[in-house]
Amino acid sequence: AQSVTQLDSQVPVFEEAPVELRCNYSSSVSVYLFWYVQYPNQGLQLLLKYLSGSTLVESINGFEAEFNKSQTSFHLRKPSVHISDTAEYFCAVSERASGNTGKLIFGQGTTLQVKP
Amino acid sequence: GAGVSQSPSNKVTEKGKDVELRCDPISGHTALYWYRQSLGQGLEFLIYFQGNSAPDKSGLPSDRFSAERTGGSVSTLTIQRTQQEDSAVYLCASSLQGASGDTQYFGPGTRLTVL
Repeated sequence: AQSVTQLDSQVPVFEEAPVELRCNYSSSVSVYLFWYVQYPNQGLQLLLKYLSGSTLVESINGFEAEFNKSQTSFHLRKPSVHISDTAEYFCAVSERASGNTGKLIFGQGTTLQVKP
Repeated sequence: GAGVSQSPSNKVTEKGKDVELRCDPISGHTALYWYRQSLGQGLEFLIYFQGNSAPDKSGLPSDRFSAERTGGSVSTLTIQRTQQEDSAVYLCASSLQGASGDTQYFGPGTRLTVL
């Protein structure tokens, strides 16, 4: 079984400051890793994912996450946040095994509040 | 093209009543998922469809919950004899093939309130 822990339920930060949203996972098998974002009054959408290859993955809006196998972490970072980044961020995993259903196991979510 | 749609967007019902929630996935997506988002439990997987079959129902919390998918497209989640603890946002997602690395595309959700 897998589990995902997002260590911070809320992260307040000022505009243009850097931010890190932490995610740790536990799994007895290899997993794929995802970050989804939920903007106010909108549905969940994929921000970025790690499948294989380079452990550093980037999104189109400046976020990046690094897969660290030894620490079982997949922290999300952005060097300079904007007001529009205010949202709830969910870390998720799915089993890598062949034939797996692809169901996602989510963390509890982190609310990023960007202040002017 | 159109994204995942869900209806109704909001549903208020009385304890003990049955409810049906609908999901229209992205056209051509063979995989469909139902999740539940609640304050106490976060985002939880409920059921997975591949085509019209449901090989993984492991997340359904009780036998009051059931789901079906017809024509490899529309899915309906039914909750019988609703209880207050069923209050949550029910999310539907679809993906192209259901492989574990596939991106899942989520609908806006149905907010269910059981009085």
